[in-house]
Amino acid sequence: AQSVTQPDIHITVSEGASLELRCNYSYGATPYLFWYVQSPGQGLQLLLKYFSGDTLVQGIKGFEAEFKRSQSSFNLRKPSVHWSDAAEYFCAVVTRSNDYKLSFGAGTTVTVRA
Amino acid sequence: NAGVTQTPKFQVLKTGQSMTLQCAQDMNHNSMYWYRQDPGMGLRLIYYSASEGTTDKGEVPNGYNVSRLNKREFSLRLESAAPSQTSVYFCASSAKGGPMNTEAFFGQGTRLTVV
Repeated sequence: AQSVTQPDIHITVSEGASLELRCNYSYGATPYLFWYVQSPGQGLQLLLKYFSGDTLVQGIKGFEAEFKRSQSSFNLRKPSVHWSDAAEYFCAVVTRSNDYKLSFGAGTTVTVRA
Repeated sequence: NAGVTQTPKFQVLKTGQSMTLQCAQDMNHNSMYWYRQDPGMGLRLIYYSASEGTTDKGEVPNGYNVSRLNKREFSLRLESAAPSQTSVYFCASSAKGGPMNTEAFFGQGTRLTVV
């Protein structure tokens, strides 16, 4: 079955430390990949997206993600986390085989400790 | 530029009551979506509309109906609310027309409680 998996439900990280959030997908067709962030009580905001080309993409708020086709992964990273990065993060996939509809992972909640 | 606007932001319903969630976008997008968000389950697609005049079921359509009133508006109706429909509902839109246009823009959500 086609799916998006975020293995980590909750991650706690110290302010200033690095952060990596994992995302794996299982779709046959070439995927288009997204990371969204949701701050408490808010809607979703696009952090970055990958369609083609350079497999390392830069996003807003200092985030980056790397597409690895061989591992079916699109992991999100930030070198130094700020307290304002505490939020829920969603990986999402669009494929031609899914009629370009967004399919989301279950999300990873990030807590930042001082 | 308002983007995607959802109303209401909060709603409490009694079991069996009906209501309509409204969504409008001002970005001239062709595609619109309704998702529900539940803890530990991410966002699940309820219905979507690829273009004006068309609607299709998503992953969890049971208990819901939709209307794509025009290009701007896409409403979600609960005919007989059930406690299992307690959730946060998000409307989204995207331009469609190819891979470069598949970015979706989201409303602020409607928090619905059915008691």
